[in-house]
Amino acid sequence: AQSVTQPDIHITVSEGASLELRCNYSYGATPYLFWYVQSPGQGLQLLLKYFSGDTLVQGIKGFEAEFKRSQSSFNLRKPSVHWSDAAEYFCAVGDQAGNMLTFGGGTRLMVKP
Amino acid sequence: GAGVSQSPSNKVTEKGKDVELRCDPISGHTALYWYRQSLGQGLEFLIYFQGNSAPDKSGLPSDRFSAERTGGSVSTLTIQRTQQEDSAVYLCASSPRTGDTQYFGPGTRLTVL
Repeated sequence: AQSVTQPDIHITVSEGASLELRCNYSYGATPYLFWYVQSPGQGLQLLLKYFSGDTLVQGIKGFEAEFKRSQSSFNLRKPSVHWSDAAEYFCAVGDQAGNMLTFGGGTRLMVKP
Repeated sequence: GAGVSQSPSNKVTEKGKDVELRCDPISGHTALYWYRQSLGQGLEFLIYFQGNSAPDKSGLPSDRFSAERTGGSVSTLTIQRTQQEDSAVYLCASSPRTGDTQYFGPGTRLTVL
């Protein structure tokens, strides 16, 4: 069965600092990987996805993520965080048929001025 | 274009009552998914539709839960005899086809008193 672990429940960074959110997955084959962001009271917005090909994926809002098969990781990064990035971030893995997503527990990001 | 819409946005009901939650997918999307987001369980997959068919209903938490989709468009998630543990945010997503990126609606917050 597939699973996703986001080790950090809460992260606080200063505005302008760099950010890395960790995601580890368990899946028997080549995974489909996603990062979504959820602002308070909102639905999930897709930041970026990895299906195949280049392991460094660029997304919206200046985010990127790198797929590392040897580490079963898909960490999300941003070089300079803005106050508007404060939200909850979810990593997800999709099965090969794409019929369901399995989500991690989420990481809540707070941004200090 | 219009995104996934869900109604109602909030629903408060009494224990034992039935509720219906509605999802309008993005036009032309053939695949539709239901998820539940709760404090204790995180984001859980419930069921998906390819067209009007739901091939796998094993994600539904109990036989009080059912879902249907008509005309390859609107879907309704019905919870009968609601219990307090059903309180959660119910999220709907759609994708152009199974295996493609899922786009989420804003969710319906269900509170069972």
